[in-house]
Amino acid sequence: GENVEQHPSTLSVQEGDSAVIKCTYSDSASNYFPWYKQELGKGPQLIIDIRSNVGEKKDQRIAVTLNKTAKHFSLHITETQPEDSAVYFCAASLTGGYQKVTFGTGTKLQVIP
Amino acid sequence: GAGVSQSPSNKVTEKGKDVELRCDPISGHTALYWYRQSLGQGLEFLIYFQGNSAPDKSGLPSDRFSAERTGGSVSTLTIQRTQQEDSAVYLCAGDTERSGGYTFGSGTRLTVV
Repeated sequence: GENVEQHPSTLSVQEGDSAVIKCTYSDSASNYFPWYKQELGKGPQLIIDIRSNVGEKKDQRIAVTLNKTAKHFSLHITETQPEDSAVYFCAASLTGGYQKVTFGTGTKLQVIP
Repeated sequence: GAGVSQSPSNKVTEKGKDVELRCDPISGHTALYWYRQSLGQGLEFLIYFQGNSAPDKSGLPSDRFSAERTGGSVSTLTIQRTQQEDSAVYLCAGDTERSGGYTFGSGTRLTVV
């Protein structure tokens, strides 16, 4: 089955700096890679996703990149703000919709004001 | 409803007791997933429903765990003879064939004492 590894497990950045979280996956058949943000006491919330036919996707201050050859993908948050502080999970699945998703172990991001 | 609703939000039970956790998904989300999140850990897949049937229940940790879904809507996860290692947050999510991303509930925090 799919295995997703995520680094780092914790990350502290100064407000305004950038944050990068990296993930690798094992199953070359995976072609859908969502990222989730989980705030304290809440369920994870989808913030951005990327499919294997795309190398990069941006949405305001967040961007994801995908390298299918190397089987790794990354989340980039620019101009970090205190409200970005949360746990972020990467994930992989065969396709979007009706598919079991395999999650990484999470990155706790702390943005220091 | 507006979101995925899970109840109870918190449950403390004595070791050996049975518990039922409920998930009420968003109308139209025909696929429903249960995940478990242990303290500081990632999300562990338990079971997936397509309509009322469960094509993939490979993540259920033991035969003490069971789940059902009725009317293509509400799902219950039952844990019999609870053990301390069952303590975790149990998350429910739904999606559609086209959505590609899960919508999670806020979870049920289960504590077995």
